[in-house]
Amino acid sequence: KNEVEQSPQNLTAQEGEFITINCSYSVGISALHWLQQHPGGGIVSLFMLSSGKKKHGRLIATINIQEKHSSLHITASHPRDSAVYICAVKGNSGGSNYKLTFGKGTLLTVNP
Amino acid sequence: EAGVTQSPTHLIKTRGQQATLRCSPISGHTSVYWYQQALGLGLQFLLWYDEGEERNRGNFPPRFSGRQFPNYSSELNVNALELEDSALYLCASSLDGRAANTGELFFGEGSRLTVL
Repeated sequence: KNEVEQSPQNLTAQEGEFITINCSYSVGISALHWLQQHPGGGIVSLFMLSSGKKKHGRLIATINIQEKHSSLHITASHPRDSAVYICAVKGNSGGSNYKLTFGKGTLLTVNP
Repeated sequence: EAGVTQSPTHLIKTRGQQATLRCSPISGHTSVYWYQQALGLGLQFLLWYDEGEERNRGNFPPRFSGRQFPNYSSELNVNALELEDSALYLCASSLDGRAANTGELFFGEGSRLTVL
């Protein structure tokens, strides 16, 4: 079982829809990242969370440490939001210190 | 301010050769991380350098190595290239990777290595 599980793997939406991508993890963490990867490979860090909720424009990220779960929400989705969204966690114990463990990503396609 | 820069953008090598990839972190960042994204696989942690030292490495063979220079730029070397080394290699930097709750990551655009 992967330490970081994302769902769904693929998501197709119509422009304007509200989107939720989920991330569950099984290890203790010090931080969780949401990353966006566009075709061609470049990655942008969207959020880094250790508790609560963060908002940036139409993007909202939440984390529940007790439930080991995080969600990324996109409001009023737009075709330019089409990308792979990756959840990554930074462990807080033993050999997992300081290195990220990545989910396999969620491919989001927003149709006009 | 310049972001994380990587070079070359694309690199084609043949089996058995060596590849060298370079990364310049954001000014002021001391930690540099290397990741591999092979086709069909997720991102995997390769190496972490901070203050010139290798702090941690992922589950990769010793032919994957690197170093960090005094100006905090970094080099990733892959010796005795194999076909399965074909991947996108991403570099990221952060202010201080040793701190538990700091160290927001900034990624480069990646170097795509193709091994023929």
